[in-house]
Order: sequence, then structure tokens, then C-alpha cells
Amino acid sequence: EAGVAQSPRYKIIEKRQSVAFWCNPISGHATLYWYQQILGQGPKLLIQFQNNGVVDDSQLPKDRFSAERLKGVDSTLKIQPAKLEDSAVYLCASSPILAGYNEQFFGPGTRLTVL
Amino acid sequence: QKEVEQDPGPLSVPEGAIVSLNCTYSNSAFQYFMWYRQYSRKGPELLMYTYSSGNKEDGRFTAQVDKSSKYISLFIRDSQPSDSATYLCAMSAGTSGTYKYIFGTGTRLKVLA
Repeated sequence: EAGVAQSPRYKIIEKRQSVAFWCNPISGHATLYWYQQILGQGPKLLIQFQNNGVVDDSQLPKDRFSAERLKGVDSTLKIQPAKLEDSAVYLCASSPILAGYNEQFFGPGTRLTVL
Repeated sequence: QKEVEQDPGPLSVPEGAIVSLNCTYSNSAFQYFMWYRQYSRKGPELLMYTYSSGNKEDGRFTAQVDKSSKYISLFIRDSQPSDSATYLCAMSAGTSGTYKYIFGTGTRLKVLA
């Protein structure tokens, strides 16, 4: 079974530029998550999708961040314009919908550096 | 107060030592308690999860949950250099498809050969 795919793996941009990250979840997983992990911290949930609908985006800075999951499969996360404090690893995770506990499977992440 | 607090470490132990990693939490609505391992430049991977208070063992790993104290622990027996990683506790609440996860800040562990 293929894992969660993310691209690019690394990105360096200047502040005020825009950037987009792509995630392809595990086939059949209905729930998709985007996390931000700042160096030395745990992952912080930015947005959660169930199929192509948003379940939780309460911690997404909506003035600069946007995300979509067209057709309920892969997803893109965009930052426009980027700030220095956006430097972090952006992790995508997916999980199936089952009764009870659902394990999250993480991708390798995209490491963003904003200069 | 943060919902989940985790001892920051870093922790450095000799090979073969018993390691204890801990987290406390404040939200009594949390239902599931997880431990993830994250190697450098990789995504987190699930080690263990528990639902109720008590112990759960898997090989050299034991997860312990005390809901009355809002305290969880992960014990690693006979630690190996390959256990060197950052360990993240995580907790979740919700219903199927809507679980919200809160992660701790992680404890970096180094096991010396």
C-alpha cells in the first residue's frame, strides 16, 4: 500500500511570495489533515477535510492560507503572501473513516524556509 | 494552560536503559491517547494508542494512561540506538471522521551505543 505522498519536499522562498504544497493521501482514506510543525514543536492542525468538505479550519490563518480538496482525493495548501514565521514543515496526513479510533498516516512533509 | 504538556527533554540515555516519556493534559474529553515516533526529516509514525486507563504493552514499549490524573506515559525497555528519535504524545476527541488531534511538543531521545 502506497503511503501519503507530498511535494515538493523542500521549498525556499522570499517573504511576500506565494507557495503551494500538494498532498496525495492513501487511496480510500476519506479524511485528510494539514499540519504545521515549527522546529522544536509538535504538529499543529491547520485544516481537516472529510471527503471534499472542511471539518475544522479553526486554526488556519485564513488571511494568507487556503486549502482545497477537489474531488475528495488530493489536496493543495497555499500560502499567499508568506511571512518569515511561516517557516516550518507542512505535514499532510490521512485516515479512513471507521467506527472508533482512526490511525493517521503521515507523509514526509514539505520543509518551507521563508527568507 | 496548554491542552497537552510534554516534558521537552532532550533525553540522553545509554543503550539498554529504561526510558520514561510523559505527558499531561487538561481536557477530560480526550478519548484516545497516542504515542508517535518521528525520525529526523520524516513524518510521525504511530507507535501505540490506548483508549482506557491502564497499561498496554507492545514488545519493548508500554503505554500507560491515568485518566484520573490526566497523565500518560510511554516506557521503552532495553532501549536501542535505533530508538533515537523525537517522541510525540497525541490525544484526540470527537466521533468517526471528525476526530481532532492535539499533539505535545515532543521529547527528543538519544540512545547512546
